[in-house]
Amino acid sequence: QQQVKQSPQSLIVQKGGISIINCAYENTAFDYFPWYQQFPGKGPALLIAIRPDVSEKKEGRFTISFNKSAKQFSLHIMDSQPGDSATYFCAASISGSARQLTFGSGTQLTV
Amino acid sequence: DAGITQSPRHKVTETGTPVTLRCHQTENHRYMYWYRQDPGHGLRLIHYSYGVKDTDKGEVSDGYSVSRSKTEDFLLTLESATSSQTSVYFCAISVKGALSPLEQYFGPGTRLTVT
Repeated sequence: QQQVKQSPQSLIVQKGGISIINCAYENTAFDYFPWYQQFPGKGPALLIAIRPDVSEKKEGRFTISFNKSAKQFSLHIMDSQPGDSATYFCAASISGSARQLTFGSGTQLTV
Repeated sequence: DAGITQSPRHKVTETGTPVTLRCHQTENHRYMYWYRQDPGHGLRLIHYSYGVKDTDKGEVSDGYSVSRSKTEDFLLTLESATSSQTSVYFCAISVKGALSPLEQYFGPGTRLTVT
């Protein structure tokens, strides 16, 4: 059972546009939500993360929006650039649990 | 890549042969993980370790075993490789971060093909 659902599977955005990737989770015990960026042939790299006690977090052109009641969170990439072309994964975990991150299935972004 | 090296980086092997992948880290991190990445599935945890000789199963552990005899090395073994184990394998470590005591950072990956 997939506990984190990610959409869309692929996304094409014009240079300068806004890229939006959405994730929904089921387990209400999750309290840590990171996003990873992965370039071809490389390992995933931690991009930005949020805890559920805030509704938004911004780092440069990257913003996470979090809706606790809807159990959804999204990544917004403002002023998208060709260098942002990569695969993006959302994930969720229970903070302090050594067990695992539960990943979404990934979104391939092309700018 | 968070001070993580994986070896080999690429391997082609035949069905039924044993395969061992190595993850090496240089910063004495306590927690280490093995994931596999397949199209449409994101990354799925195979096994993880919370110390020397301390390991536990993840979501997709069948057909895999691990060992950690020293802090810096975490080995993943496929006792008898099958074509369904063709995948990209990532090692990860956890560090204390601003938002989580266990932020995970990934190595460069090993691409394994089982023919």
